[in-house]
This record gives sequence, structure tokens and C-alpha cells, in this order.
Amino acid sequence: LAKTTQPISMDSYEGQEVNITCSHNNIATNDYITWYQQFPSQGPRFIIQGYKTKVTNEVASLFIPADRKSSTLSLPRVSLSDTAVYYCLVGSAYNTDKLIFGTGTRLQVFP
Amino acid sequence: NAGVTQTPKFRVLKTGQSMTLLCAQDMNHEYMYWYRQDPGMGLRLIHYSVGEGTTAKGEVPDGYNVSRLKKQNFLLGLESAAPSQTSVYFCASSQDSADEKLFFGSGTQLSVL
Repeated sequence: LAKTTQPISMDSYEGQEVNITCSHNNIATNDYITWYQQFPSQGPRFIIQGYKTKVTNEVASLFIPADRKSSTLSLPRVSLSDTAVYYCLVGSAYNTDKLIFGTGTRLQVFP
Repeated sequence: NAGVTQTPKFRVLKTGQSMTLLCAQDMNHEYMYWYRQDPGMGLRLIHYSVGEGTTAKGEVPDGYNVSRLKKQNFLLGLESAAPSQTSVYFCASSQDSADEKLFFGSGTQLSVL
């Protein structure tokens, strides 16, 4: 079973900021939080990864509170091309939990 | 740099036939994985390998076998295909590190009639 819980789906409009929250109440000390994006008919693609606080790259930001029991993927000013399924994974090199994808969050961006 | 390459991209089998899916990576990664994805579902781990010559079972290993004879290749075999194995199969690889990220291939669409 996945160690994470995400909303099944979200809708947004172009230009808006989208925040997808993932719950991982049983996160272990060594676990990292990793987000992937999957477009139809493609394999998932790594977006961002973090351990604590905030991480930002050219695609997204990842916010992790001090207790690390949840994390929020933030996509600034989404476009139609951001329509995809987003997966939150939690785990480390010491277990296979990091390999469990779950059903993800289906983000639909409207014009 | 091709990354992770899967062959074939599409295949149609009859029930009871056998086939092998090939995954090749050119990133010198230690770990390799096979997933299946059914329509509207997330990915489920079939088997994985933590190094050449090693394999391990994932979430849904029944009906599949794997081999990792060379570090760069990971083979997924179906000895007697069943309609329930109709799915999209994804291969992935990763480096051996605490914060390893998975790199995926483009998938193989398999239909079993």
C-alpha cells in the first residue's frame, strides 16, 4: 500500500497557481519526498524532491512543514500543458516504499 | 543519450503465448524496475533489480519472470499470457543513492486477446 494520500483530481484555469497536497503521516526519518508528473501515453517524469522546508526548481516548488507529515507541490501559473497526473512518493534507499506510486492526482487545466 | 529504452512499443498476443519485453538503460544505473499501468490507475511494481544478477518481487509479481544478466538490461517475461495482463508496461532505472530518482522509458502497450 502507498504511504501517501493525495486528492484524486483537481481542476484549474490557465495562469492560476495550483497546490497539490500529499499526506504521509508515517514518514520515516530517512525518507525523501519525491513528485513525478505523467502525461498520457508517457512514463512518469521526475519533477522535484525534498527532505524538509522548501525546495524550488524551474518547474515547481515543494513545501514541507517541520513535522514532515505532509507536503505541497506548487505549480505557479499553470498552462494547458500542465494537465497531467501527479504522483507523490515517500521513501528512502532503505526500503521499497519509494517505489509505490498510488493513483496520483489528476490535474485538469482549462483555458 | 537515450536514457531508458523499451522494446517493443506495441505487441498483441494470444492467450497462452509467451513473450519477453526488453529494457535497456545507458546511464550505468544500478537499480532497474518493471511497472504495469492499467487504464485510469497508478503504476504497480512487478519486479525490480538492485544490481546485475539480482531480482526481487514487487507488488504484483505473479505471472511474470525477470532477469538481469547484464547491468544495462532488464528483461520481463510472460510465460503464458492472460487477458488480465493487458496493460501498459513501464521500465525504469535509478542510481544507487538515498535520494534516487526514477527515470522511465516510454512504455510498451501489450494486448492479450
